[in-house]
Amino acid sequence: AQKITQTQPGMFVQEKEAVTLDCTYDTSDPSYGLFWYKQPSSGEMIFLIYQGSYDQQNATEGRYSLNFQKARKSANLVISASQLGDSAMYFCAMRGAIDEKLTFGTGTRLTIIP
Amino acid sequence: DGGITQSPKYLFRKEGQNVTLSCEQNLNHDAMYWYRQDPGQGLRLIYYSQIVNDFQKGDIAEGYSVSREKKESFPLTVTSAQKNPTAFYLCASSIAGTGGTTEAFFGQGTRLTVV
Repeated sequence: AQKITQTQPGMFVQEKEAVTLDCTYDTSDPSYGLFWYKQPSSGEMIFLIYQGSYDQQNATEGRYSLNFQKARKSANLVISASQLGDSAMYFCAMRGAIDEKLTFGTGTRLTIIP
Repeated sequence: DGGITQSPKYLFRKEGQNVTLSCEQNLNHDAMYWYRQDPGQGLRLIYYSQIVNDFQKGDIAEGYSVSREKKESFPLTVTSAQKNPTAFYLCASSIAGTGGTTEAFFGQGTRLTVV
């Protein structure tokens, strides 16, 4: 079974500051992928970044980076230089190599303050 | 353009009625998923399918049914047995058999309201 835990229901961050959104996971799959999605108020799900369990380096995509600590089973999303448009819900998710269903956490609502 | 289409965007249903939500994709993806999202909450998996004519229950399948007769289509029926169906429903698709390495693409969602 897979489980994703996001312990921050909401966060407020000053514009231009960096923010870290926490995500821990649990799985019995030996190989898996970790994903972060952004959901603005419109409801669409926007894929942000992916980290494979065997990747040696942390993933980066523009202002997004993933702080992957495999031994701790954590995959935190770091957003640098936050912008007002970053205000949204953020979801951490995972898929296993064997159990390929896509499991989501409960999300973190991020609000950027001008 | 390739993508995943859900229809309708908004749906109103009377209590006791079944209703079917449409999900179509032209991405040639084998795997398709249905999620339910309640206000301020995360996504909970209802059903998923990794191949035509096969599907598995997710965490909250009771009161829902699906079919996968075509690769492109994965309709979800919300039956009268679902006691609290008012929610936002999201359909997704992805490549299957890649060891969990590929992301899922989502439709725009259907907002179902029971009146």
